[in-house]
Amino acid sequence: DTGVSQDPRHKITKRGQNVTFRCDPISEHNRLYWYRQTLGQGPEFLTYFQNEAQLEKSRLLSDRFSAERPKGSFSTLEIQRTEQGDSAMYLCASSFGTGDTNEQFFGPGTRLTVL
Amino acid sequence: GQNIDQPTEMTATEGAIVQINCTYQTSGFNGLFWYQQHAGEAPTFLSYNVLDGLEEKGRFSSFLSRSKGYSYLLLKELQMKDSASYLCAPQGATDSWGKFQFGAGTQVVVTP
Repeated sequence: DTGVSQDPRHKITKRGQNVTFRCDPISEHNRLYWYRQTLGQGPEFLTYFQNEAQLEKSRLLSDRFSAERPKGSFSTLEIQRTEQGDSAMYLCASSFGTGDTNEQFFGPGTRLTVL
Repeated sequence: GQNIDQPTEMTATEGAIVQINCTYQTSGFNGLFWYQQHAGEAPTFLSYNVLDGLEEKGRFSSFLSRSKGYSYLLLKELQMKDSASYLCAPQGATDSWGKFQFGAGTQVVVTP
């Protein structure tokens, strides 16, 4: 399978705990994106990378969220001191391009439940 | 910022045609994507429009009017498997090419 993969697929945690998710993009893709999606809504942009550089982070994202892509390949998204409002599906997507437009390929997502 | 408006839900019968409208306001414009998302699954790419006009791809077509900030996705010869959410995603200005904003999605229900 050469698609985008995410790990874990499901995570249940208690409020206040830290969680970390991993995304492995399609190997030749240089761009990687993180989104959050709640029921009945479209994906909400969180942040994106080109290679290892994090180019933009949503202003809606609190300081409890951090993402890295240290070698320009896989990426991690960490949420510190989780809150019940963080419960959502976290989607990762990747694309290849050097211009302005690019189709994104999504992973299966990590569903987070904060108790 | 971007405002994206699309209907919440549409119902149609198998074999029929459904048109999903999307209006948007963006800071600059670089194109518009449509994605399909089945319940519990990740979104998958359907179409991309950057120039005004109609792009046809099999049973699905997408139209764009840049001056009106308007797009529609046309689904023809509906099949039961087309029951899904359809997400409109206009892409903003060149300096924010990576920042995709999705609409809330239109849930299409196909009935026998």
